[in-house]
Amino acid sequence: SQQGEEDPQALSIQEGENATMNCSYKTSINNLQWYRQNSGRGLVHLILIRSNEREKHSGRLRVTLDTSKKSSSLLITASRAADTASYFCATPLTGANSKLTFGKGITLSVRP
Amino acid sequence: DVKVTQSSRYLVKRTGEKVFLECVQDMDHENMFWYRQDPGLGLRLIYFSYDVKMKEKGDIPEGYSVSREKKERFSLILESASTNQTSMYLCASTPGPPREQFFGPGTRLTVL
Repeated sequence: SQQGEEDPQALSIQEGENATMNCSYKTSINNLQWYRQNSGRGLVHLILIRSNEREKHSGRLRVTLDTSKKSSSLLITASRAADTASYFCATPLTGANSKLTFGKGITLSVRP
Repeated sequence: DVKVTQSSRYLVKRTGEKVFLECVQDMDHENMFWYRQDPGLGLRLIYFSYDVKMKEKGDIPEGYSVSREKKERFSLILESASTNQTSMYLCASTPGPPREQFFGPGTRLTVL
């Protein structure tokens, strides 16, 4: 039962460019999270944004949340080859303690 | 730093074998999860444990069981491995909502 859907499915950019990834979800949430996964590895948490926040920054990452549109975006500025990875958004299941539902992910390729 | 470890990075088993995947976390987290990840399907929750000896089925529990005898350890058991259980298995833990999940490095299981 997936709630989050990322867009686009794949993105290829040149090093130094910005990468924007989007996530849409269906039901009300109290937070939304973004994760990164390097090839063949586990997921790493990047950032959590709460439903009462509109924007959050962490280093080169900027996340926005629009609860009226049920969407979030992840912006990576000044991308590097090391940013090449899959990116996932995750939202809590309604009334379901700490379970999350993950989207299928966006594959980002940053060309040197 | 939170550390989640998984017993094997790569595992090859034969159809019908009983398979144990072990996951250990060192941060006294209440909640632990087992996911499988397949291309095009994203992460799917197999089982969830919210306390010692407590477990809850996820989206795809068929063919799997779990054991949580100690807080730090959560085991996934394939009673009789089948080829359609060839996948990447990811373990995660969290102290509780609305916190992030911490993932292990994953076990790539191949069932021949």
